[in-house]
Amino acid sequence: ETGVTQSPTHLIKTRGQQVTLRCSSQSGHNTVSWYQQALGQGPQFIFQYYREEENGRGNFPPRFSGLQFPNYSSELNVNALELDDSALYLCASSPGLAEHQETQYFGPGTRLLVL
Amino acid sequence: GEDVEQSLFLSVREGDSSVINCTYTDSSSTYLYWYKQEPGAGLQLLTYIFSNMDMKQDQRLTVLLNKKDKHLSLRIADTQTGDSAIYFCAESWTDKLIFGTGTRLQVFP
Repeated sequence: ETGVTQSPTHLIKTRGQQVTLRCSSQSGHNTVSWYQQALGQGPQFIFQYYREEENGRGNFPPRFSGLQFPNYSSELNVNALELDDSALYLCASSPGLAEHQETQYFGPGTRLLVL
Repeated sequence: GEDVEQSLFLSVREGDSSVINCTYTDSSSTYLYWYKQEPGAGLQLLTYIFSNMDMKQDQRLTVLLNKKDKHLSLRIADTQTGDSAIYFCAESWTDKLIFGTGTRLQVFP
């Protein structure tokens, strides 16, 4: 158990819709990162938030956006869903301390299916 | 650019050792990681190695790092059926982790 939780566990949407995925980080972890894992692939970095500010972004379009809240929770929002957005979405939190600050602990993921 | 490569599949007999290999491209990575993913689940951090180390042992797991060749390996001693999963190596790069495509380990009796 990493202490990182995600909701919902599964979700089905149709093309063009919008979706919000939620993550609750470990208490005290200032950094949260989101990843997309397509079937048969490794996770791909979407973006990272540190103390409620975006701290880096991968090669994803602006319709992928996020928020981080002071209570260690965060959201991933995806607008105008496309079929290729079907994937497992993982959030990961890290301590943000000097030592091992990069070590990321993953939640169980949300599996999104876009029809 | 950053790229992490792994072989796709490994099959071993229960009780044997498994060795999963990985190559990476970014020599400035601070840490290198091994994660385990079971079917339908998220990623479980198995172990990590700091880039100035050559080897790290943690119970049945041994990580070897060859910085010159940018090669990382994970050895699992006395492999059990419960070790069947997909194993990802990952390198840290600025604010993110770069993952390989994963190696599916199948353990047969």
